[in-house]
Amino acid sequence: DVKVTQSSRYLVKRTGEKVFLECVQDMDHENMFWYRQDPGLGLRLIYFSYDVKMKEKGDIPEGYSVSREKKERFSLILESASTNQTSMYLCASSFGSGVEGSYEQYFGPGTRLTVT
Amino acid sequence: AQTVTQSQPEMSVQEAETVTLSCTYDTSENNYYLFWYKQPPSRQMILVIRQEAYKQQNATENRFSVNFQKAAKSFSLKISDSQLGDTAMYFCAFMKHVNTGKLIFGQGTTLQVKP
Repeated sequence: DVKVTQSSRYLVKRTGEKVFLECVQDMDHENMFWYRQDPGLGLRLIYFSYDVKMKEKGDIPEGYSVSREKKERFSLILESASTNQTSMYLCASSFGSGVEGSYEQYFGPGTRLTVT
Repeated sequence: AQTVTQSQPEMSVQEAETVTLSCTYDTSENNYYLFWYKQPPSRQMILVIRQEAYKQQNATENRFSVNFQKAAKSFSLKISDSQLGDTAMYFCAFMKHVNTGKLIFGQGTTLQVKP
């Protein structure tokens, strides 16, 4: 079974702190994604990566950055956390194009981040 | 830009009955993919069913089926013989090209199956 893990289920940080959210997948997937989930807004894409050291902005990249130094690991960084970044953060991964089943994204359990 | 709309924030159904969740989307593309994802209270999101826009036949996965109306840009999910384990938040999602793998999600519908 595909496994996508996230470093923390719950996280509480103070305004202005630098926050790292880690995601690891064990299926050798090329694509990795970071979303934030807010009530009434669904999931919104923050950043995605289709290869090591490659990244592209999603729909709401402001205030975030990412790092992908290894294929299996994709990190989301909040440079200076703010209260409006309090949210559920979901990581996902998928195969690259041309692979059977590449359409399916596999999700991690999520990290509930609270910024106070 | 593509958008996905789920107009039912919450729904409930009695166990063993049938329920339909609605989804509409907006796109100028002709080839794309549509999905329903399920997020149970434990939060791990899983794929329920997918539909390729070029296929006229509606997708079916066991008790889950879709009604895909391409001209109307409508993609509803029907759950037959509802079970308590179907209680979850359901998201409709659109993918423009498999190449990018990027999904656009709707707002979600919380479904409660009552015993």
